[in-house]
Amino acid sequence: QVQLVQSGAEVKKPGASVKVSCKTSGYTFTNYIISWVRQAPGQGLEWMGWISAYNGNRNYAQKLQGRVTITTDTATSTANMELRSLRSDDTAVYYCARSFNWNDVQFDYWGQGTLVTVSS
Amino acid sequence: QSALTQPPSASGSPGQSVTISCTGTSSDVGGHNFVSWYQQYPGKAPKIIIYEVYKRPSGVPDRFSGSRSGNTASLTVSGLQAEDEADYYCCSYAGSNNNVVFGGGTKLTVL
Repeated sequence: QVQLVQSGAEVKKPGASVKVSCKTSGYTFTNYIISWVRQAPGQGLEWMGWISAYNGNRNYAQKLQGRVTITTDTATSTANMELRSLRSDDTAVYYCARSFNWNDVQFDYWGQGTLVTVSS
Repeated sequence: QSALTQPPSASGSPGQSVTISCTGTSSDVGGHNFVSWYQQYPGKAPKIIIYEVYKRPSGVPDRFSGSRSGNTASLTVSGLQAEDEADYYCCSYAGSNNNVVFGGGTKLTVL
């Protein structure tokens, strides 16, 4: 069965970086897109960016440009999201999600979420 | 890219129907068929319930239906059940710069 399993919770200080991983299984990794979506406490969903596991093409939300990098490791069927220069308003649950095309917004499987807390 | 506009809350009694709106622009909701809806319970990951405006994934009850008129997409939940109490989010491909945009979310309460 399709599974997306994310790395564990993180606590970081302002200005630091965090890397969250999303290990996939149960499907052909390179046939799909992985997107990252975050949710601040009590708030809605915010799309962060996507990457094609096939060719590495990627796109990021404008507000995060320059601070976020999404990568894939096809050998381990894992996607990674790194966010730099962390601020308190980056405190959120971060999700990875799968879609077949980069524009179809058909996120059919999600990771369990990773809580990232930014606090001094 | 601005978030899509959803009402913050909606409610209905068991057995009734409720419709949640999602208003965007001709660049996102009104510009193509890539609009989806997600159901989210507290502390859980979202689950897709509608894609391509009105299509239902396998296993999603037909009580959930999607539609669109102009720049506004809608999710209708018919025959409300207690288990439908959750947060609902719309999502759309936004076209410009290959972006994706979510709605602010609607908390559905079953009275």
